[in-house]
Amino acid sequence: DTGVSQDPRHKITKRGQNVTFRCDPISEHNRLYWYRQTLGQGPEFLTYFQNEAQLEKSRLLSDRFSAERPKGSFSTLEIQRTEQGDSAMYLCASTEGYGGASTDTQYFGPGTRLTVL
Amino acid sequence: GEDVEQSLFLSVREGDSSVINCTYTDSSSTYLYWYKQEPGAGLQLLTYIFSNMDMKQDQRLTVLLNKKDKHLSLRIADTQTGDSAIYFCAESPYSSASKIIFGSGTRLSIRP
Repeated sequence: DTGVSQDPRHKITKRGQNVTFRCDPISEHNRLYWYRQTLGQGPEFLTYFQNEAQLEKSRLLSDRFSAERPKGSFSTLEIQRTEQGDSAMYLCASTEGYGGASTDTQYFGPGTRLTVL
Repeated sequence: GEDVEQSLFLSVREGDSSVINCTYTDSSSTYLYWYKQEPGAGLQLLTYIFSNMDMKQDQRLTVLLNKKDKHLSLRIADTQTGDSAIYFCAESPYSSASKIIFGSGTRLSIRP
């Protein structure tokens, strides 16, 4: 297993369009997280899944954002009616999620850079 | 509240030690982390420290935690050009076993 993968790596879209990103976590990792990182800032938490259940959502996740993890493996993040303010790097991370530092350590993917024109 | 603060920039000479400092607000934090981000790359976990520890050393990296002052530092010994990156301090609040709260990152640049 080579780590967390994300697709696409870059996405350019026009304002008002819908976009969908995919994240494949490390195999056997139960927890999957989405973060957003804007230029010059650290990542900000958006949401996380324990298996297929979405357990926490940030206030940053407006109604235009939806995330799914239907089979408890890969996850998708969809943004509807994109706005210029959505331009950012969207990062995915995963952990084993059984408790303890080693299993709760989050491993990040390379991110999807979204540019909304 | 949950907040992590770091200085934005640090410049050191190659071969010297780098010390990156961080303060956090959540006294109930369980784990504190240092991540490294190189241009165009994802976040790489460098090291972490559990909140009941004062120090952790891993090869060139030394993490010091002052829980009373809520201060975390990362020392990189014998800094090399390959250490140029943005370093993020982060905490895992006890109130949430899920999310990590990140600082804004410290950009480390190396002078020859």
